Amino acid sequence: SQKIEQNSEALNIQEGKTATLTCNYTNYSPAYLQWYRQDPGRGPVFLLLIRENEKEKRKERLKVTFDTTLKQSLFHITASQPADSATYLCALSHASGGSYIPTFGRGTSLIVHP
Amino acid sequence: EAEVAQSPRYKITEKSQAVAFWCDPISGHATLYWYRQILGQGPELLVQFQDESVVDDSQLPKDRFSAERLKGVDSTLKIQPAELGDSAMYLCASSLFRDQETQYFGPGTRLLVL
Repeated sequence: SQKIEQNSEALNIQEGKTATLTCNYTNYSPAYLQWYRQDPGRGPVFLLLIRENEKEKRKERLKVTFDTTLKQSLFHITASQPADSATYLCALSHASGGSYIPTFGRGTSLIVHP
Repeated sequence: EAEVAQSPRYKITEKSQAVAFWCDPISGHATLYWYRQILGQGPELLVQFQDESVVDDSQLPKDRFSAERLKGVDSTLKIQPAELGDSAMYLCASSLFRDQETQYFGPGTRLLVL
């Protein structure tokens, strides 16, 4: 069956360090993969999208990589700040009947300590 | 900045009662999604609309859940009868086109079934 895995344990890092979050998947052929940020009690907010034929995308302090051979995406936040503390969700979308159907992972909580 | 609107924000009901949630997507967005998110898990897609048509409802418990988007604009998700296990956050999201992948989420409706 299709499966998306994100580390269920919280990631604790010190301010200024680089946070690296992992998203692994099995039995999927995603057309693209997205990362979202979610704060407690609020809806997710889109951060970055990477397509199956792309290896890396960057946006300010954010970087995402996509390895379709390893079936893995890595999400990096450089120079992390306490304000980056949140849950980060990866979402894979696969093509179906002319549309793209999204599936989310359970998310990884990031805690940045001052 | 345009936002996805949802109401109510909170709902407490007793099991076996009927509940309904409303979502108004960003103006012009053709694709609308309903998700259920249980605490500590990622959003689970319940139903996806393209205009007024259902694109995917494979995870919608059709014996008790129904969703409609009659004019291809706002949408209603109904549960009848509600069960204790339905307690969750119900999120609505929209995107511009079927291949416009960025989803914009509303604030969600927190449902508690007693």
